[in-house]
Amino acid sequence: DVVMTQSPLSLPVTLGQPASISCRSSQSLVYSDGNTYLNWFQQRPGQSPRRLIYKVSNRDSGVPDRFSGSGSGTDFTLKISRVEAEDVGIYYCMHATHWPPAFGPGTKLEIK
Amino acid sequence: EVHLVESGGGLVQPGGSLRLSCTASGFPFSSFWMTWVRQAPVRGLEWVANIKQDGSGKYYVDSVKGRFTISRDNAKNSLYLQMNSLRAEDTAIYYCVSYSDGWNEAYWGQGTLVTVSS
Repeated sequence: DVVMTQSPLSLPVTLGQPASISCRSSQSLVYSDGNTYLNWFQQRPGQSPRRLIYKVSNRDSGVPDRFSGSGSGTDFTLKISRVEAEDVGIYYCMHATHWPPAFGPGTKLEIK
Repeated sequence: EVHLVESGGGLVQPGGSLRLSCTASGFPFSSFWMTWVRQAPVRGLEWVANIKQDGSGKYYVDSVKGRFTISRDNAKNSLYLQMNSLRAEDTAIYYCVSYSDGWNEAYWGQGTLVTVSS
């Protein structure tokens, strides 16, 4: 099975400052159709996960443009250009390229 | 607006059974893959099972094979998970998740809590 790792696991950030989360997979996430099925999810306290980014860099509808995704192969990054209070929560990367799909352990973003 | 509403969770003894349901609205249910994902405090988020649009393909993670059965009723916009021979390690919040071919759309429900304990 593909193993997903994330760093850091805890991310204290000052309001208005940028934040970056790294995600790595144990195998390439490029599928046979040429797409890379790497998603990013946000889980706010007490809520279910909500997807932010799909196929590495595509923002879901309604997601603020301060969120961006990048990367390729086995290395991926989620960036928040200016952190706001509503961004507090846990961020997960997740691949859907191989069976079974798998999530990273999560990165807990908090405000300093 | 998309809604996925899970039900059927609760407290069950080890070895017991539960049937989870998920009712969907706001998107073309029969055109989407449907999935159960669970979240336990220690093990984090874990894919459990998914089912193709027409129900012809069903896929399970090894830890639930032979014990859980996923099914769907497109006429009722509903997804199900029959869970048998439950174990303490199955304790988790179970989420109903839908996604389109190519993953261009994906939606999550609010979850239902399953607790396996004597």
